Amino acid sequence: AQSVTQLDSQVPVFEEAPVELRCNYSSSVSVYLFWYVQYPNQGLQLLLKYLSGSTLVKGINGFEAEFNKSQTSFHLRKPSVHISDTAEYFCAVSPFSGGYNKLIFGAGTRLAVHP
Amino acid sequence: KAGVTQTPRYLIKTRGQQVTLSCSPISGHRSVSWYQQTPGQGLQFLFEYFSETQRNKGNFPGRFSGRQFSNSRSEMNVSTLELGDSALYLCASSPGNAGEQYFGPGTRLTVT
Repeated sequence: AQSVTQLDSQVPVFEEAPVELRCNYSSSVSVYLFWYVQYPNQGLQLLLKYLSGSTLVKGINGFEAEFNKSQTSFHLRKPSVHISDTAEYFCAVSPFSGGYNKLIFGAGTRLAVHP
Repeated sequence: KAGVTQTPRYLIKTRGQQVTLSCSPISGHRSVSWYQQTPGQGLQFLFEYFSETQRNKGNFPGRFSGRQFSNSRSEMNVSTLELGDSALYLCASSPGNAGEQYFGPGTRLTVT
């Protein structure tokens, strides 16, 4: 079984400051890793993904994440946030095995960017 | 390419009724998954369909069912609605088997 823990339910930050949203996962099998963003009254948008290869993954809107296998973490970072980054962010994993598409999500982190 | 579309966007039903939600995946995507999002339970996987076959199912009661058509469009049905079924239901499509999924805007179901 897999589980995902997002360590902060809310993260307030000032505009142009850096931000890190933390994600840890637990799994008995290898997994793919994802970050999604959800703006109010919308569906989820894929920010970035780690499937294999380089552990530093770059995504859309200036976000990046680093996969750390030993710490089973996949933290999301952005060097300078904008007001428009205010949204809820979800970390998710999908197990390799079975060839199926099943995402297990964390509880989400609400990022609030203040002017 | 057009994104994932879901209809209707909003729905109000009464306890005991049934409801059908529809999802059209991105062209060429054969996998369609459904998720339920609530404030209390977060995002939970309902089921996945691939080539008209359900190949993965989450921990939901049998009142929740789905199907997929030959054009990859999918429907999910909830029978005997309960107040706790009020949620945002999200559909996602995928081009392959690496878990990478693209989500629609969701259908917000309110059960009164």
